[in-house]
Amino acid sequence: QVQLVQSGAEVKKPGASVKVSCKASGYTFTGYYMHWVRQAPGQGLEWMGWINPNSGGANYAQKFQGRVTMTRDTSTSTAYMELRRLSSDDTAVYYCARSDTGTDYWGQGTLVTVSS
Amino acid sequence: DIVMTQSPDSLAVSLGERATINCKSSQSVFYSSNNKNYLAWYQQKPGQPPKLLLYWASTRESGVPDRFSGSGSGTDFTLTISSLQAEDVAVYYCQQYYNTPWDFGGGTKVEIK
Repeated sequence: QVQLVQSGAEVKKPGASVKVSCKASGYTFTGYYMHWVRQAPGQGLEWMGWINPNSGGANYAQKFQGRVTMTRDTSTSTAYMELRRLSSDDTAVYYCARSDTGTDYWGQGTLVTVSS
Repeated sequence: DIVMTQSPDSLAVSLGERATINCKSSQSVFYSSNNKNYLAWYQQKPGQPPKLLLYWASTRESGVPDRFSGSGSGTDFTLTISSLQAEDVAVYYCQQYYNTPWDFGGGTKVEIK
């Protein structure tokens, strides 16, 4: 069965970087784009971008351009999302999600807390 | 960017009654070459990731009860829960996947009256 398992919660200081991983199993990793979506406490869903695991090409929401990098390791079927220059506004649950028609499988989420 | 606007922000419906959620896109998400609307609906319960309910605006994901239905085309869409059950209490989001960014609507919270 399809599973996306994300890395554990992180606590970071303002200005630091965070790298969240998303390990895929149960399907051909290179066959589906992987998206990253975040959700601040009590707020809605915010799309951050996607990566094509086959080519490594990525497309980022303009809001995160220059601050986010999405990568993948096809040997381990793992996608990564790195966000730099963190501020308190980046405190959120970060999700990876596989896309087919819409995003059909989601990781469990990774809470990133930014606090001094 | 395509802006997705949902209404209402919240609604309270009695058990067994109908719940209707609206979603409007700032431009059409209908692709004429394949006659499909690039619109999905999700359900999110507290502490859980979103769950895909419908794609192509009206196609139910496998395992989704048939009390959930979607309609609309172009820029105006509706999610209907025909007979609300206790387990349907959640926040519902629409999302367009016509082009990037794949933005979501602001969400609609459904509660029991």
